[in-house]
Order: sequence, then structure tokens, then C-alpha cells
Amino acid sequence: EVQLVESGGDLVQPGGSLRLSCAASGFAFSHSWMSWVRQAPGKGLEWVANINDDAKEKYYVDSVRGRFTISRDNAKNLLYLQMNSLRVEDTAVFYCARAATPGSVQPWGQGTLVTVSS
Amino acid sequence: DVVMTQSPLSLSVTLGQPASISCRSSQGLVKTEGTLLSWFLQRPGQSPRRLIYEVSQRDSGVPDRFSGSGSGTDFTLKISRVEADDVGVYYCMQGTHWPWTFGQGTKVEIK
Repeated sequence: EVQLVESGGDLVQPGGSLRLSCAASGFAFSHSWMSWVRQAPGKGLEWVANINDDAKEKYYVDSVRGRFTISRDNAKNLLYLQMNSLRVEDTAVFYCARAATPGSVQPWGQGTLVTVSS
Repeated sequence: DVVMTQSPLSLSVTLGQPASISCRSSQGLVKTEGTLLSWFLQRPGQSPRRLIYEVSQRDSGVPDRFSGSGSGTDFTLKISRVEADDVGVYYCMQGTHWPWTFGQGTKVEIK
């Protein structure tokens, strides 16, 4: 069974940093593109970043480029999102998802909540 | 960025009746790999789940009551007979152009 389990969400002050992790199992992680998608409280979905299987290609939405870094450890089946210079508007549930089919994601993890507030 | 516009934004449907959600993109979504338009359902309190990818390909386990169609910049998700389990917010998403973008979401409830 394919499983994605996010962790690392927390309450952090504006300007702070946080690293999210996503543990993958049940599929060939090292051969899969992966994504992070977020959802602000009561709002819709926003794609955040993608990484290809060997980590040589990374894509970001403009609002996080230069502040967030997507990475992976294929030996440990782990996906990461390093978030720096966090802003109040980054408050959201962050989901990791597998991008197995071109231009799409499935399945999704259960999400981890990041709250940026003073 | 490609803007995805869904309509309606809310839908109240009688059990057993059909429902249809429209999604329009501000640019064409054709790519070498295909037309990369997906539909997702987020039930209350749950993570999103994909229903349809590449316009009309149903995911494993998705009932055939759900169908996707469209081309160019106009796409549609249809539910032939709405069941109680179909309640939630439906999102379309394009994965052709960076950044990938979602529609605003359509909230479906039972009348």
C-alpha cells in the first residue's frame, strides 16, 4: 500500500524556519517525482514545489522561490521542504504527494499544519 | 500563470440526480505527454483524492459515475447520479505549465 506521512509542522514566528519531512513507502520512491501542495485555513489548494527522481530538477511557485527548498533522500525514502523567512501568509496545511503521472499528483499524505504567528 | 476558473463555486444536488462542474483554463493545456488536466475531491476533514487525470482517465477505485471530458481550454467533470459520499469540494488542476495551478474549488452538497 502506498503511504505518505508528513511531519514537522509547528507554530513558528514570522521570519523563522521549519523543515517538513514526508516518509514514503509502498512504491519506488527513488523513481518518482514528488510534490508539496499547501492549503491555507478555509482556502483552496496551492501547488508549492516539485522535485524529480534524482533531485536535479526542482520547480517552485513564485511566492516561495528563494525561501523554500525541496529536497529528497532516496536512500531513506524521505522528501523534505526546508522553509526559511516564513511569513504569516505561509500558514497552511502542507501535503506531500506523489507525481507519478505527468502533470498530476496522487496519492496525498494526511498533511502537516504550519502556523506562522507571533 | 495559468488561471483555472471553475463554475459553479457551489452546487446543491438531489441524491440520484446528475451534477456537472466546469473548469476553464486561461491557456491551452496540451503537452507532448497529453492534456494534463486533473480533478480532485476533498471530502470534509480529509486530504484531497484524485478522481480523474489527463482529462478523462479515471483513477483506480473511482466509480464510473464520475467522468471527465473536454479539450483546449474547456473541461467538465460530470457525476451521473450523485450519492451522499460525493459531498465535498472538487478542484481541477493543470499540470502542463509551471507553476501548476488549481481552480478555486466547487463545493458540492446534498439538497
